[in-house]
Amino acid sequence: NAGVTQTPKFQVLKTGQSMTLQCAQDMNHNSMYWYRQDPGMGLRLIYYSASEGTTDKGEVPNGYNVSRLNKREFSLRLESAAPSQTSVYFCASTPSIFSGANVLTFGAGSRLTVL
Amino acid sequence: QKEVEQNSGPLSVPEGAIASLNCTYSDRVSQSFFWYRQYSGKSPELIMSIYSNGDKEDGRFTAQLNKASQYVSLLIRDSQPSDSATYLCAVNMGGNTPLVFGKGTRLSVIA
Repeated sequence: NAGVTQTPKFQVLKTGQSMTLQCAQDMNHNSMYWYRQDPGMGLRLIYYSASEGTTDKGEVPNGYNVSRLNKREFSLRLESAAPSQTSVYFCASTPSIFSGANVLTFGAGSRLTVL
Repeated sequence: QKEVEQNSGPLSVPEGAIASLNCTYSDRVSQSFFWYRQYSGKSPELIMSIYSNGDKEDGRFTAQLNKASQYVSLLIRDSQPSDSATYLCAVNMGGNTPLVFGKGTRLSVIA
């Protein structure tokens, strides 16, 4: 069982470049999430998708877009990367946001550096 | 603003001691509470969940919840160097909303 798979694991971008982080889960989960983690800041929610066909902003959505391609896949796009977006990005999923037992399963993370 | 507060540490304890990690949250309607452990360079992994007031024990780990005081804690008995990690408190603050995470407490167990 792969769980949550993120690609790429590492990426270096120049300011202004665009890129897409890919995430796929094989657990038949309905809800998926993108977090960023910066030193001393904990996990901050960028966007989430409660179910296929829906997406919602989290705490820090500016500069990002998302696509819930199907039930398995949830991508995060940086249209014009900025140094402030240098971070570690985690994708996660849960069976359903509509359950209080919101146990998250995380991917391995994607380390992004914007020069 | 829904918030989860943790002391960032580092919290240093000697091997074999009890480590006590604390977390407070702002929303009284919060329903479920989670502790995640994150080793350096790795992704968070769930170690405990608790949904009702009182204590919940799992091996060397005990989660304690006091909804009246809006306080949840994690005790690690017989701490080992392998417990050295960042511990993240996460709270479901009601409704169909994502978990809110604290900033994490870094624990260092000294051999």
